Amino acid sequence: AQSVTQPDIHITVSEGASLELRCNYSYGATPYLFWYVQSPGQGLQLLLKYFSGDTLVQGIKGFEAEFKRSQSSFNLRKPSVHWSDAAEYFCAVKTSYDKVIFGPGTSLSVIP
Amino acid sequence: NAGVTQTPKFRVLKTGQSMTLLCAQDMNHEYMYWYRQDPGMGLRLIHYSVGEGTTAKGEVPDGYNVSRLKKQNFLLGLESAAPSQTSVYFCASRKLLIRDRNTEAFFGQGTRLTVV
Repeated sequence: AQSVTQPDIHITVSEGASLELRCNYSYGATPYLFWYVQSPGQGLQLLLKYFSGDTLVQGIKGFEAEFKRSQSSFNLRKPSVHWSDAAEYFCAVKTSYDKVIFGPGTSLSVIP
Repeated sequence: NAGVTQTPKFRVLKTGQSMTLLCAQDMNHEYMYWYRQDPGMGLRLIHYSVGEGTTAKGEVPDGYNVSRLKKQNFLLGLESAAPSQTSVYFCASRKLLIRDRNTEAFFGQGTRLTVV
């Protein structure tokens, strides 16, 4: 069965520090992978997506993610975190039947 | 440019009551989804639809029914609400593009439902 895991429930970083959010997926075929961000009380906004080609994808707000097939991972990174990045981050995979399955989310807190 | 609109935004139900959540999108998207979001569980797919007149079960379909009579609307029904259905419900829609299967999903603002 398809699944997405995000091992870190909550992460706290200092403003200006680098960030890496982990995502692992379980899916037999080539995955379509997404990262979404959810600000408090809001819906979800797409940060970036991967389907094929370059395994390092760039997204909005300075985020990037690297697809590693051998590790079944799609980790999200940002070189320097801003206070406005505090939010909940969700990794997702689209399956062959066009279902989009989400991970449990990682809550990010940013210390000024 | 409304995007995805959910109605209502908040609702309190008594156990056993029924209600329908409405999702409307004005982007002519083929795919529509209903998720519930619970602490520590992320978003779990309840039901989804790949086109007008079609629906399919997601990860947690029990206790819910859906209908997609019009392309722009996706209704989520609770026939007999239970406290376990207290959650935040999100609707999403996606465009079907033959040349790009990796289209993003657009989300509504959510409906906070409490069942007492």
